[in-house]
Amino acid sequence: LAKTTQPISMDSYEGQEVNITCSHNNIATNDYITWYQQFPSQGPRFIIQGYKTKVTNEVASLFIPADRKSSTLSLPRVSLSDTAVYYCLVGGLYNFNKFYFGSGTKLNVKP
Amino acid sequence: SQTIHQWPATLVQPVGSPLSLECTVEGTSNPNLYWYRQAAGRGLQLLFYSVGIGQISSEVPQNLSASRPQDRQFILSSKKLLLSDSGFYLCAWKTGSETQYFGPGTRLLVL
Repeated sequence: LAKTTQPISMDSYEGQEVNITCSHNNIATNDYITWYQQFPSQGPRFIIQGYKTKVTNEVASLFIPADRKSSTLSLPRVSLSDTAVYYCLVGGLYNFNKFYFGSGTKLNVKP
Repeated sequence: SQTIHQWPATLVQPVGSPLSLECTVEGTSNPNLYWYRQAAGRGLQLLFYSVGIGQISSEVPQNLSASRPQDRQFILSSKKLLLSDSGFYLCAWKTGSETQYFGPGTRLLVL
């Protein structure tokens, strides 16, 4: 299983771009990388998912280098409402029980 | 579209009392279902997962049990709650190559 490591917390200001990195040195060939956002007292919400290179959607980008041993979630122009905990998940999409969540990164966005 | 429900949203129970938390999924068939616990300010701990009716796998030995009486229903139970059972309980579902999607959670406080 790919153990994942994330920074415990990060600070940013409104309007800045934020990059949160997750390390997963032992990622398996069929593992995908998924990022979730969680607000207090709510379930984690899916943000973005990728396998390699770059994926972009309407809220974020995900950068995955060629060796896939890390991944970076990029949030453009954050606002106060982006203050939340962000989790990375590494696992095979077709495996129902082989996955690993990171411990989460608390992002504090300041005015 | 698929939706996932959990109830109750909040629960306060005395030590030694029984517990039953329910999770139901709509809009999909034969999902893999998961129960997680999240202690205050901590990450996600996988408790149980199920790949079908009556099929339960436990990840962590504990005071809890799970059952899946119907395809889209997942129940978390305890005969006698402990103080350490307090936390935020999350149910999640997954099908095929999809990632996991989480419910809104149940906040349990054992006094």
